[in-house]
Amino acid sequence: NAGVTQTPKFQVLKTGQSMTLQCAQDMNHEYMSWYRQDPGMGLRLIHYSVGAGITDQGEVPNGYNVSRSTTEDFPLRLLSAAPSQTSVYFCASSLGASGGYGYTFGSGTRLTVV
Amino acid sequence: KNEVEQSPQNLTAQEGEFITINCSYSVGISALHWLQQHPGGGIVSLFMLSSGKKKHGRLIATINIQEKHSSLHITASHPRDSAVYICAVRSGNQFYFGTGTSLTVIP
Repeated sequence: NAGVTQTPKFQVLKTGQSMTLQCAQDMNHEYMSWYRQDPGMGLRLIHYSVGAGITDQGEVPNGYNVSRSTTEDFPLRLLSAAPSQTSVYFCASSLGASGGYGYTFGSGTRLTVV
Repeated sequence: KNEVEQSPQNLTAQEGEFITINCSYSVGISALHWLQQHPGGGIVSLFMLSSGKKKHGRLIATINIQEKHSSLHITASHPRDSAVYICAVRSGNQFYFGTGTSLTVIP
C-alpha cells in the first residue's frame, strides 16, 4: 500500500538511551518532515527535508537528529532520550514543500521515556 | 506565543447542523492547511489554501489573507465527522499548528 510507514508504533525508553524512529514513503515525495504532538500544544515541527541530502531544523530540533540519504527514508534519531521527549511522533510527506497536493501522514509513534 | 489560534476548542453538534471552525494566525504565510485527526490518531490532509475558497463534498474552507483568518465549514454534519480538526500554516519553511478543535456530532 502506498503511503508513509512509521515504525515502531510504540516504544518505551529509559532516560539516556538512544533510538531511531523510522519513516519511509513510496510516493516519490520530495518533502518529508517530523512532528511531535503533545497534549494542549498541538503539532510542532522538529526537522524537515526538501530532498535527498538536504535537511533543516524546525521549531523544536534540540535532542533530535535526522538524515536523508534516499528520497524514500527519513529517520529521526534520539541521541540521549529524556522524559521531555515523551510524545507522539508523526512523519509526513508531500510532493512539494508547499503541500499543494496535500500531506500524507504516518500512523504515529507513541514514545514514552522513563 | 501561539502563531495559530483556533476556536472553539471543543464543539458538540447535533447531526445535520452546520458547523464552523475558525483559525487565526499572526505570521505571514504562503499556505494554510486544514487537517483532520481521527479518534484513532491518524491524520488526514483536507485542504491547502493560499487564497479564496475550496469545497470538497460537505466541507468548505475559506481564507481571508488580509484578515489572517480561515474558516472550515461542515454542512449537514454527521457522526462520522467527529474528529479533531487542525489548522496549520506554512511560513517560510516552518509550519505552525493550532491546538485543534475537537468536534463531536451526536446522532
